[in-house]
Amino acid sequence: DAKTTQPPSMDCAEGRAANLPCNHSTISGNEYVYWYRQIHSQGPQYIIHGLKNNETNEMASLIITEDRKSSTLILPHATLRDTAVYYCIVRGWRNNNDMRFGAGTRLTVKP
Amino acid sequence: GAVVSQHPSWVICKSGTSVKIECRSLDFQATTMFWYRQFPKQSLMLMATSNEGSKATYEQGVEKDKFLINHASLTLSTLTVTSAHPEDSSFYICSARIRDPNYGYTFGSGTRLTVV
Repeated sequence: DAKTTQPPSMDCAEGRAANLPCNHSTISGNEYVYWYRQIHSQGPQYIIHGLKNNETNEMASLIITEDRKSSTLILPHATLRDTAVYYCIVRGWRNNNDMRFGAGTRLTVKP
Repeated sequence: GAVVSQHPSWVICKSGTSVKIECRSLDFQATTMFWYRQFPKQSLMLMATSNEGSKATYEQGVEKDKFLINHASLTLSTLTVTSAHPEDSSFYICSARIRDPNYGYTFGSGTRLTVV
């Protein structure tokens, strides 16, 4: 699986959009970008994933650059409950092995 | 969506005793489950891969005789921490891969183990 790089921490004001970047310059053509988050003392929660196109669901939007070497997770209107560690993971869909987690980005939403 | 139920959510045990953590897939069958350990302010680290009907595969450095994994059915995997010591205190999380491509992997809520 391709390696990812994320900033260790970010702050965001409540009600504003949170934009979390992820670099994955070694991503290969069949690898997806997954985003999970982990709220303190809970298991990771799936947010969104994508291959090439931008994706949106009820939780977030995922913007993937045309060369697929980086992506941005967007929480359009961050709330205090969005404070968590956000993990960007790149892996092939056919990969049946475990999900490998990096250090992630600790997002703190402030009132 | 597919749910993995993990119990207990927290447990305190004395040194030298054993603790069992259960991970159940509620509405799907999981031939493979994964067990992670997470220390404070660190990321999740894979301990072992649990395969239904066969022996678990352990990551390097994880003692298989200390962390016993049993995956006797397609909906249940258990992790038993034997002869627990304070350094085994950690957050343990299980996960399973699901077929719906929108989810990829689903995770249990975790078990906070404190050994005193």
